[in-house]
Amino acid sequence: GEDVEQSLFLSVREGDSSVINCTYTDSSSTYLYWYKQEPGAGLQLLTYIFSNMDMKQDQRLTVLLNKKDKHLSLRIADTQTGDSAIYFCALRSSGTYKYIFGTGTRLKVLA
Amino acid sequence: SAVISQKPSRDICQRGTSLTIQCQVDSQVTMMFWYRQQPGQSLTLIATANQGSEATYESGFVIDKFPISRPNLTFSTLTVSNMSPEDSSIYLCSVETGSTDTQYFGPGTRLTVL
Repeated sequence: GEDVEQSLFLSVREGDSSVINCTYTDSSSTYLYWYKQEPGAGLQLLTYIFSNMDMKQDQRLTVLLNKKDKHLSLRIADTQTGDSAIYFCALRSSGTYKYIFGTGTRLKVLA
Repeated sequence: SAVISQKPSRDICQRGTSLTIQCQVDSQVTMMFWYRQQPGQSLTLIATANQGSEATYESGFVIDKFPISRPNLTFSTLTVSNMSPEDSSIYLCSVETGSTDTQYFGPGTRLTVL
């Protein structure tokens, strides 16, 4: 079945850039998504990228997609303490409406 | 996008009881989803709820344990029946809307079973 993997933890200093990585096995998803989950909250859609794009920039967020390597990354520029959260990548399972979520990366921003 | 609310936001329940979670959306949507997020884990899809039809359950989830209602295009409920401590999780509803197959999530219901 489909598999979506992320590293579990990332720690960065305030002001630095953060890069959160995601690898997947199913390459048929039309869109790939990044969600943010703050403590005690639901999932907030951060951004998405269309599968025929290599890069998408949205303010401090840059998404890179390498379809050949089945690798997706989220770069957060000038990381702030308010960016501390769990970040999930997600894609739509082949031929279905179901999402497959990554394992989640807990980002900790040190002041 | 869509604005989604859930009730209750959290609850502490006794073993053997049932809890019904409500999900309300600010617009009409065809597809609604219910997820479970166990402590420290990612999201697992419980079922898909389309208005006017029976919910479709994922492997490992059954209707007797997680009955779902979908009476109209803006509302759904999930009941967690005969609860045990293993049911302690965050339960999230989501809806799919827009042209980018995007799912939007409610704030979640944090359930603790003693």
